[in-house]
Amino acid sequence: AQTVTQSQPEMSVQEAETVTLSCTYDTSESDYYLFWYKQPPSRQMILVIRQEAYKQQNATENRFSVNFQKAAKSFSLKISDSQLGDAAMYFCAYRSAISRGAQKLVFGQGTRLTINP
Amino acid sequence: DARVTQTPRDKVTEMGQEVTMRCQPILGHNTVFWYRQTMMQGLELLAYFRNRAPLDDSGMPKDRFSAEMPDATLATLKIQPSEPRDSAVYFCASGLSSGSIKFYNEQFFGPGTRLTVL
Repeated sequence: AQTVTQSQPEMSVQEAETVTLSCTYDTSESDYYLFWYKQPPSRQMILVIRQEAYKQQNATENRFSVNFQKAAKSFSLKISDSQLGDAAMYFCAYRSAISRGAQKLVFGQGTRLTINP
Repeated sequence: DARVTQTPRDKVTEMGQEVTMRCQPILGHNTVFWYRQTMMQGLELLAYFRNRAPLDDSGMPKDRFSAEMPDATLATLKIQPSEPRDSAVYFCASGLSSGSIKFYNEQFFGPGTRLTVL
């Protein structure tokens, strides 16, 4: 079974600074997707960014970018120019692209990000 | 602005009572997922459907939980009887899936139902 680990329960950063959230995963599969979701206090789960495992190029979405290291099974999220609205729980998630349960998302435990003004 | 809706948003009930949570997927989506979020277990999949047929309910306690899709616009998750350990936030998500596993489809989450069982 696949597992996702986020080793940082909490992180904080000064507004306008850059912060990196860590995620590692364990899988024997070669084809999969990785995601970062944001959950603000409203509870809504919001997709921040996704990465296809077969793509070597790291995904970017405006101020959000990832560092995908397939061999190391590492998938970190970098938030540049942090804003107060970035404060939330961030979840790393895995989805298989080859198994029967391919649609299922497997989540890490989350990292609570605080932005200091 | 298409979105997944869930009702109720919050529910407080007493142990032993039946609880029904409802989800309206985005119109046109053919996959529906139920996830549960707790402090101890995090986010975990309970069940999911494609074209109203259950594909995976291995994460769901079968003795008290049941999930159904009476029609394409409604998914329900029932707990009978409810227990304090069922207290959690229950999320519904929907997506559009073809028959290909490799077809990427984003899962759009609803706002969740926070269930408290006393």
